[in-house]
Amino acid sequence: AQKVTQAQTEISVVEKEDVTLDCVYETRDTTYYLFWYKQPPSGELVFLIRRNSFDEQNEISGRYSWNFQKSTSSFNFTITASQVVDSAVYFCALVDTNTGNQFYFGTGTSLTVIP
Amino acid sequence: EAGVAQSPRYKIIEKRQSVAFWCNPISGHATLYWYQQILGQGPKLLIQFQNNGVVDDSQLPKDRFSAERLKGVDSTLKIQPAKLEDSAVYLCASSLGRGTSGFGVQYFGPGTRLTVT
Repeated sequence: AQKVTQAQTEISVVEKEDVTLDCVYETRDTTYYLFWYKQPPSGELVFLIRRNSFDEQNEISGRYSWNFQKSTSSFNFTITASQVVDSAVYFCALVDTNTGNQFYFGTGTSLTVIP
Repeated sequence: EAGVAQSPRYKIIEKRQSVAFWCNPISGHATLYWYQQILGQGPKLLIQFQNNGVVDDSQLPKDRFSAERLKGVDSTLKIQPAKLEDSAVYLCASSLGRGTSGFGVQYFGPGTRLTVT
């Protein structure tokens, strides 16, 4: 069965600190996609990144970076030099291509960046 | 490009009443999803449509929830009768289908916050 675990429920950091959000997943399938979404206080889920199971290269986009390690079934998300606008709930998700397009979301990590 | 539209944004009803939510996906997106997000939890898939056919409704409480996708575009989700535990945000999302470069990426609407009293 597919499962996504985000063990950190709430994190608070002071502005300009770096912060890493953890995501651990479970799946029996060899072909899958992993995602990170941001949900600001307005409520709308915003797509951040998609990574397929065959691509373990780390990715950097501005202050955001992602570390995908199949050996530990983890897909961690780091924000460098955090800003107040980064305050949101962040969700990690898994989609299994064999059973269609169904997302399995983690329970989310609420990040608060203190000015 | 317009995003996923949902209405209403907020709804307050009493238990045992009925309510309906509307969603208009991004133009050209074949797949449409309805999620329920209870406060403090991740979204839970209720139903997934591919064009106007149901792909997955295994977690839809069919005794009280129903959904349809009109002509493979807009969709409505109905709850009848509502219970207190249905209080949640109902999110609609859409995505391109298999075989596309955007496979798997879901774009979400702003959601409808339902309060059942």
